[in-house]
Amino acid sequence: EIVLTQSPGTLSLSPGERTSLSCRASQSVTGNYLAWYQQKPGQAPRLLIYGASSRATGIPDRFSGSGSGTDFTLTISRLEPEDFAVYYCQQYGSVPQTFGQGTKLEIK
Amino acid sequence: EVQLVDSGGGLVQPGGSLRLSCAASGFTFSSNWMHWVRQAPGKGLVWVSRISGDGTNTIYADSVKGRFTISRDNAKNTLYLQMNSLRAEDTAVYYCVGVVMIIPHWGQGTLVTVSS
Repeated sequence: EIVLTQSPGTLSLSPGERTSLSCRASQSVTGNYLAWYQQKPGQAPRLLIYGASSRATGIPDRFSGSGSGTDFTLTISRLEPEDFAVYYCQQYGSVPQTFGQGTKLEIK
Repeated sequence: EVQLVDSGGGLVQPGGSLRLSCAASGFTFSSNWMHWVRQAPGKGLVWVSRISGDGTNTIYADSVKGRFTISRDNAKNTLYLQMNSLRAEDTAVYYCVGVVMIIPHWGQGTLVTVSS
């Protein structure tokens, strides 16, 4: 089973700032099938990035994904008030699919 | 447009059973492996089970093995999760997930509460 470790656990930032969230895998992610999600309370996860770097339909271009193998990054170039939420990474290239424990992005 | 609609959740007593459904549309359902993922209140996302496109190959998380059964009806474009011997720790929102052309798609989730 591939273990995904996200860092940091919590990030306190202000709107307008730039940030990068990390997701590190215990072994190489098959096909770079790595996704990033945003989740707000009471809502289903919202797909942001798939295949490590492809933006999902309707996702603003301030969100970008990068990385390959075992190290992946989600970058938000300029935080908007609606971006404060919990972010998860997921590898879906092998079974079981696994998820990181989440990074909470909170307003400073 | 790919769409997955989860249903069947509710309140059930410990030891009881429930069957979840996921109605799929917008893609060739029978060609895609499908998954169930759950999220306990205030917790992270956890994979539960997967089934192959033809329904012959299934796999489960250790926490549900022997109690849950994943299945599908390709004629109805519907995925199922039969949950037996439910425990309090099975309380969660359950999501069906399908990867279509390398893009993961999720249902809206259905809440299962196991409580007396």
